Amino acid sequence: SAVISQKPSRDICQRGTSLTIQCQVDSQVTMMFWYRQQPGQSLTLIATANQGSEATYESGFVIDKFPISRPNLTFSTLTVSNMSPEDSSIYLCSVVRVGNTEAFFGQGTRLTVV
Amino acid sequence: AQSVTQLGSHVSVSEGALVLLRCNYSSSVPPYLFWYVQYPNQGLQLLLKYTSAATLVKGINGFEAEFKKSETSFHLTKPSAHMSDAAEYFCAVSDPGGSARQLTFGSGTQLTVLP
Repeated sequence: SAVISQKPSRDICQRGTSLTIQCQVDSQVTMMFWYRQQPGQSLTLIATANQGSEATYESGFVIDKFPISRPNLTFSTLTVSNMSPEDSSIYLCSVVRVGNTEAFFGQGTRLTVV
Repeated sequence: AQSVTQLGSHVSVSEGALVLLRCNYSSSVPPYLFWYVQYPNQGLQLLLKYTSAATLVKGINGFEAEFKKSETSFHLTKPSAHMSDAAEYFCAVSDPGGSARQLTFGSGTQLTVLP
């Protein structure tokens, strides 16, 4: 398995502000992903974080709203920009290690926008 | 495009009874299949996975699942439920032909275990 540290674990933010979520892995991984879990819902993939290049976004998600960085093989950030109450969700980092078939998840960041 | 359907958003069983959580998939190629569990205020934990080896897969905490291609199903079972099994369970699929391990999740099943 992989040890994934995601920070912050939770936050309450004012609308119109931005929050940056960090994901740190204990070893090099090939793939890093960001998911959103809206209240009472399943997980939806936001984007694939690519090392040293722009992230690959899924339909319905754009870079201006969810800028992502991945400067190296063990670290990524997701920023939720210009937040509104509709952005209140759990945001989860997911990683896949070299040679593995399964994805591991961080504990998630529980975001509430007021 | 892949999709996953979990029948039953809520399932209740008595402690000691059989647990059966249903998952059906739709995929253009034989997929990889996963079951994850999410306890309250926690991230996701992998229970088990199917990656085209044995069709009966055993996971952690006494859970197992059987891949049935003819039925496009990957149902999760446990012979005897324990109170600690109460959680949300997600079935997920990924395309083994791709280079990524992006997952498509089902809508989830909330399992309640009654004393």
